[in-house]
Formats: sequence, structure tokens, C-alpha cells
Amino acid sequence: QPVLTQSSSASASLGSSVKLTCTLSSGHSSNIIAWHQQQPGKAPRYLMKVEGSENYSKGSGVPDRFSGSSSGADRYLTISNLQSEDEADYYCETWDTNTRVFGGGTKLTVL
Amino acid sequence: EVQLLESGGGLVQPGGSLRLSCAASGFTFSTSAMSWVRQAPGKGLEWVSTISGSGDSIYYADSVKGRFTISRDNSKNMLYLQMNSLRAEDTAVYSCTKNLSPDVAVSGNWGQGSLVTVSS
Repeated sequence: QPVLTQSSSASASLGSSVKLTCTLSSGHSSNIIAWHQQQPGKAPRYLMKVEGSENYSKGSGVPDRFSGSSSGADRYLTISNLQSEDEADYYCETWDTNTRVFGGGTKLTVL
Repeated sequence: EVQLLESGGGLVQPGGSLRLSCAASGFTFSTSAMSWVRQAPGKGLEWVSTISGSGDSIYYADSVKGRFTISRDNSKNMLYLQMNSLRAEDTAVYSCTKNLSPDVAVSGNWGQGSLVTVSS
């Protein structure tokens, strides 16, 4: 089954940009992944799906500041013009025939 | 608007049972695959189980296989998770999720979650 690897933490300044990475394990580099945001004390929220072709599509109401991209086995979530409300945990998710997999999550701190 | 509302969580002793429910609205429930995802306190997200729209295909994480049973009632737009032989490590917030689309089996919508605490 696929394994998703994420850095445990990231930080960036208010108003700047940050790029979070989710890496797919060997043999699964073409998988579609989803990015989810979990603000403190809240349920997760679907942000977007990112394909291996670099195409991405966002969920309803997701600000334009959020975008996705990919390169090889890496899937990226870029947040531009960081706001305080972007401080959250970010998880990637994918699937295989009989299973679903989440990455360990990246805790984003807005300085 | 898609809405998912879980209920049925609570405190249960080790070895006990509990049934979670998820009331769905705002979409065609009978054609949507649904899943349960859990999050232990201070930990990350863990997939638990998925059921197809018809209920014919069901999958479980190894950690719950043989103890948990996912089911659905398409006439009532309800998803269920029957949890037996509960362990302390099953303590978590359990959320129901709707698949993004028939071809993309990731979570496209999340409920707010229901807390299950397994403790004596």
C-alpha cells in the first residue's frame, strides 16, 4: 500500500508564502492525493486534490491563496499571503484498491 | 450543501461496544461511498473503514478488522459503525466522510466528529 511522507512542522511569516510537501512511496508516484486543513479544535476540511500531471482542483470556498502542484512523487500545497487563520495542521491523503492512507501531517506556524 | 452529522459517541469500558451513526444530507447518499476516519488525542488522522454506495464493497484497516462493522441504510441516508471489543487505543474522535467522487476515493466532505473514550 502507498505511504505518504510529510514534514512534521513548517513555519513562515504573516503575508509570506509557504510550500508544503507530501511524498508518495515508490510505485505510487502517479497517485492523486488530497490536501486537508485542520484548524485548532476543528474538524478537518478538504482543500484540494492534486494529480501527478500537476493539475489540481480546489474544494468549494477555498481561497485563491491556496494552490497545488506536483513533481514526480511529490505533491505540493502552496499558501500565498499567509494569514493567521492558516495556522493549522495539514494532511495529505491517497488511496489504493482496498485502503486509504493519510500522511502524518504538517503543523504550520504563522510567525 | 453537504452535511454529515455524527452521533453515538461516549465513554465505554474496555471490551465494551458502541455504535456510531452519521446522518447525511445535501447529496445523493445511495451513490456515494462513505468512510469513517478517526483521530486519537494529539495524533494524526487514521482511516478506519469504507463502504461503497450500494454497500456491496467494504474495507477495513487492519487495526479494526474483525472488531468493527461498517454499514449503511440508504433509505434513511444513514451510515453506521458498530464497534465491538473496544480497546484503550480505540479512543479517538470518529468522523464520517464522503468520497470526493466515484473515481477519486479521498475524503471530500467531513463531519464534525464524535468522541469515543475507552476507559475503565
